[in-house]
Amino acid sequence: SSELTQDPAVSVALGQTVRITCQGDSLRSYYASWYQQKPGQAPVLVIYGKNNRPSGIPDRFSGSSSGNTASLTITGAQAEDEADYYCNSRDSSGNHLGWVFGGGTKLTVL
Amino acid sequence: QVQLQESGPGLVKPSETLSLTCTVSGGSISSYYWSWIRQPPGKGLEWIGYIYYSGSTNYNPSLKSRVTISVDTSKNQFSLKLSSVTAADTAVYYCARASSGSYYVLHYYYMDVWGKGTTVTVSS
Repeated sequence: SSELTQDPAVSVALGQTVRITCQGDSLRSYYASWYQQKPGQAPVLVIYGKNNRPSGIPDRFSGSSSGNTASLTITGAQAEDEADYYCNSRDSSGNHLGWVFGGGTKLTVL
Repeated sequence: QVQLQESGPGLVKPSETLSLTCTVSGGSISSYYWSWIRQPPGKGLEWIGYIYYSGSTNYNPSLKSRVTISVDTSKNQFSLKLSSVTAADTAVYYCARASSGSYYVLHYYYMDVWGKGTTVTVSS
């Protein structure tokens, strides 16, 4: 399958830990990258590769991968982390080697 | 610091061709993948395609028959053309810079610089 599947919505209490997952066959061969998008803004890269954070991304964001599942973990969620999160990876289906996004997860911080 | 800026008409008529340009400032367009992504109102991100600085391209299969992405290294720009548009092509269109890497046997791609996006409405 060329799809990446994410839970549509997840909630977390302020200061607690939350894991957002992304499932897809291509994740057995490629790491996912993760993007945070706040309303009216462009997406921002938060995690890429095995577990790399771009400059300026807080270290409460981390990534992991196992089998066909990639995970984004926020340890000690803050109010400003409330946003939509998208995973992205290579599409390894058939002869096509493009990219694909997951459907997105809306994170609510309670 | 590299910045990207999308430009082009905000309104396109049905059946016509949508044309957008992304201008790269603060860095060279050489190296990297240069990608287009769109987001219909209230929906998620959809990858449209990319062009490598050398000129090779890769498109979303669902759009491939209508999409052309090109690069002009002399102007530090890359462009998107989407033909035969319908209302379903109404979206915010983003351009982005992408890189690749590997860790042991697994490879990865990531889009680390994004434009602010431009809204394109398809309507008569």
